[in-house]
Amino acid sequence: AQSVTQLGSHVSVSEGALVLLRCNYSSSVPPYLFWYVQYPNQGLQLLLKYTSAATLVKGINGFEAEFKKSETSFHLTKPSAHMSDAAEYFCAVSDSGSYIPTFGRGTSLIVHP
Amino acid sequence: EAGVAQSPRYKIIEKRQSVAFWCNPISGHATLYWYQQILGQGPKLLIQFQNNGVVDDSQLPKDRFSAERLKGVDSTLKIQPAKLEDSAVYLCASSWDSNEQFFGPGTRLTVL
Repeated sequence: AQSVTQLGSHVSVSEGALVLLRCNYSSSVPPYLFWYVQYPNQGLQLLLKYTSAATLVKGINGFEAEFKKSETSFHLTKPSAHMSDAAEYFCAVSDSGSYIPTFGRGTSLIVHP
Repeated sequence: EAGVAQSPRYKIIEKRQSVAFWCNPISGHATLYWYQQILGQGPKLLIQFQNNGVVDDSQLPKDRFSAERLKGVDSTLKIQPAKLEDSAVYLCASSWDSNEQFFGPGTRLTVL
């Protein structure tokens, strides 16, 4: 069975500062890993995914994540936060070959002017 | 292309009442999913359809929840009778051939 743990239910940054959202996964088989974003009153949108190719994955809106097998981590970063990045972010894991993810609890990103 | 459509967007009912949600997936997407997202948690898969057949409904509380996808396009999810703990956002998603999922805006259900 797979699971993900997102460290911190809320992360607050200033506009222009580095964004770092942490995710650790547990999986007995090679995983696929995902980051989704959810804006208020909207559905989830896929930011990026790792599917066993390059370990550094670039996504939309300037986000990227690095798969580190030794640390079982898949942290999400963005060099410079924008006000429009304020949203809920979900890390998710699935068995390799499956795109049906198991989601973490989510991290709310707050961006201050 | 049009996204996944869901209705209603909001619903408030009293416990023991019944409620139904509707989902229209992206045209051509054979796979359809229903998720339950309780406040403060990530979405949890309730049921997966491939065309009009059920692939996985292991997490669906079948004593009160039911879902159908007649003709392999639109889908409805029903709760009867509702309990307080069913208050959540119900998300519908669709995908082409079980690849990347595209999510609808969800239906926020409040059970009083």
